[in-house]
Amino acid sequence: EDKVVQSPLSLVVHEGDTVTLNCSYEVTNFRSLLWYKQEKKAPTFLFMLTSSGIEKKSGRLSSILDKKELFSILNITATQTGDSAVYLCAVALGGGSEKLVFGKGTKLTVNP
Amino acid sequence: NAGVMQNPRHLVRRRGQEARLRCSPMKGHSHVYWYRQLPEEGLKFMVYLQKENIIDESGMPKERFSAEFPKEGPSILRIQQVVRGDSAAYFCASSPIGTDTQYFGPGTRLTVL
Repeated sequence: EDKVVQSPLSLVVHEGDTVTLNCSYEVTNFRSLLWYKQEKKAPTFLFMLTSSGIEKKSGRLSSILDKKELFSILNITATQTGDSAVYLCAVALGGGSEKLVFGKGTKLTVNP
Repeated sequence: NAGVMQNPRHLVRRRGQEARLRCSPMKGHSHVYWYRQLPEEGLKFMVYLQKENIIDESGMPKERFSAEFPKEGPSILRIQQVVRGDSAAYFCASSPIGTDTQYFGPGTRLTVL
């Protein structure tokens, strides 16, 4: 069965801290890995990763994929209260399916 | 460019009634996906459609659930004879051809009394 596991499930930090969120996967037909941020509504797209070792960066957020060890990390530096959300990791499957398999998410709380 | 639209945002039904959830994809997107999110659970894939075709319905319960994406109009997820266990947030996503990136709508929160 295709599986995506995120850790930790929840995390509480203070503004200014740096956090690292983890995502590991076991799937039969990997195509890409995606990160989303979910506040109280629609998951919003952050990154899509297809190649190992190439960092994607957007402001204070960055992410990298290791296809040999089957994991990805999402880093957030200098956290702000607005970063509080659930961060979702998903793997896109190939083989004609095109569905995303999601982890349960990491709930990040950034306190002032 | 408007994002993915879903309506209604909240839907309350009594056991045994029917629920119809609508999704209009982003302009230019021809692929639509439905996901269900239960409390404390991740998003679970239900069905993937293109115009007038169901491509993958491997995540759909075998009974009471159906989906369509007609040539004209929104995609519809239909749940017949709802039960309390159907209470969840239902998210629709769309994507253009040739990318894995799916863009999500705000969801419909279904409550079955």
